[in-house]
Amino acid sequence: KAGVTQTPRYLIKTRGQQVTLSCSPISGHRSVSWYQQTPGQGLQFLFEYFSETQRNKGNFPGRFSGRQFSNSRSEMNVSTLELGDSALYLCASSLATGATNEKLFFGSGTQLSVL
Amino acid sequence: AQKVTQAQTEISVVEKEDVTLDCVYETRDTTYYLFWYKQPPSGELVFLIRRNSFDEQNEISGRYSWNFQKSTSSFNFTITASQVVDSAVYFCALSGGYTGFQKLVFGTGTRLLVSP
Repeated sequence: KAGVTQTPRYLIKTRGQQVTLSCSPISGHRSVSWYQQTPGQGLQFLFEYFSETQRNKGNFPGRFSGRQFSNSRSEMNVSTLELGDSALYLCASSLATGATNEKLFFGSGTQLSVL
Repeated sequence: AQKVTQAQTEISVVEKEDVTLDCVYETRDTTYYLFWYKQPPSGELVFLIRRNSFDEQNEISGRYSWNFQKSTSSFNFTITASQVVDSAVYFCALSGGYTGFQKLVFGTGTRLLVSP
């Protein structure tokens, strides 16, 4: 079974631009979550999608948004990039339906550098 | 609020030594889950274990073992006879019903360096 696939692996953007990251979950997984990892703030939850609906959201500004498609693939978008958005963005998928926890399987991430 | 504390920033050991990574958590949930993940240099977080709050049984998997103690809010991880391949950053994490079972709160991680 293929794991969680994130594209692209590396991305370089300049301040003010916008960026879209893609995540393909493990087949059969309907929950997709996104995390931001930085040396200063560590791993922080961005949002979770289930069946095309955002089910949970972390404490990030509105510049960070996401969506999920009917095939469970997900994208996240960051608009008006700032230097502080430079981070490793990790996507995770799970079988979770919401009533309990299911273990998360993570992708290798997208390393975003904002210049 | 939920919080996970990993007080050890970095640990260095020599191969074959035993090492314990500490994890202390805070939560108001009565139902919650605790996790350990390993992050090798490739960046991917590799799932190691999940424990729910009603199961305090310790677990052993090969060279890995976990000690869950609700009385001290700790979920420690021990690697026996460490190997160079164990070098990685290890994260402890928590999720609970109040903030969403799929939302993980991570500790800051412990970098383990195992030298030959």
